Amino acid sequence: DIQMTQSPSSLSASVGDRVTITCRASQGIGNDLGWFQEKPGKAPKRLIYGASSLQSGVPSRFSGSGSGTEFTLTISSLQPEDFATYYCLQHKSFPLTFGGGTKVEIK
Amino acid sequence: QEQLVESGGGVVQPGRSLRLSCAASGFMFSRYGMHWVRRAPGKGLEWVAVIWYDGSEEYYADSVEGRFTISRDNSKNTVYLQMNSLRVEDTAVYYCLRRFDFWGQGTLVTVS
Repeated sequence: DIQMTQSPSSLSASVGDRVTITCRASQGIGNDLGWFQEKPGKAPKRLIYGASSLQSGVPSRFSGSGSGTEFTLTISSLQPEDFATYYCLQHKSFPLTFGGGTKVEIK
Repeated sequence: QEQLVESGGGVVQPGRSLRLSCAASGFMFSRYGMHWVRRAPGKGLEWVAVIWYDGSEEYYADSVEGRFTISRDNSKNTVYLQMNSLRVEDTAVYYCLRRFDFWGQGTLVTVS
């Protein structure tokens, strides 16, 4: 199984900050990676697919990069509505695996 | 309007069974693979299972392999998750989703 190691597990940031979250795959997955945002009591939603493609309707302050084993989600200027938990997901091979999550909290 | 509506959750004793349903509308259900993902209290997201658009293939997480079965009825636009030999650690909100771009609102399963 492919393991996804996500870091950090949590971070504190202020509105306007640039935030970077990283996922590392235990083996190469090409660009078969998505990023998801989860807020309490709501279904998760996909932000990024194919490692770097922005999901329709998602603000352009979100971006994804990387391929192979190292991936990054960047929020260029954190907004109040961005405080949430973020997950990466590899869909290169079954079983699909999520990273452990990164909780973004208000500093 | 696209919709995924899960049902069938509830409280069940360890070792018992439960079947979740997910009714789809607003899109061509028979063209899409469908997944189940769960979120246990205080834990992260966990992918559970997938079924091909035509039901020809299924894959499962190691944690549910042999106990859970995913199926679908394209005539009813519905995907199912049959959960047998339930464990306390299966307690979670279960989401059905279409290829990860569209999620239902989830149904809570409590094994206690």
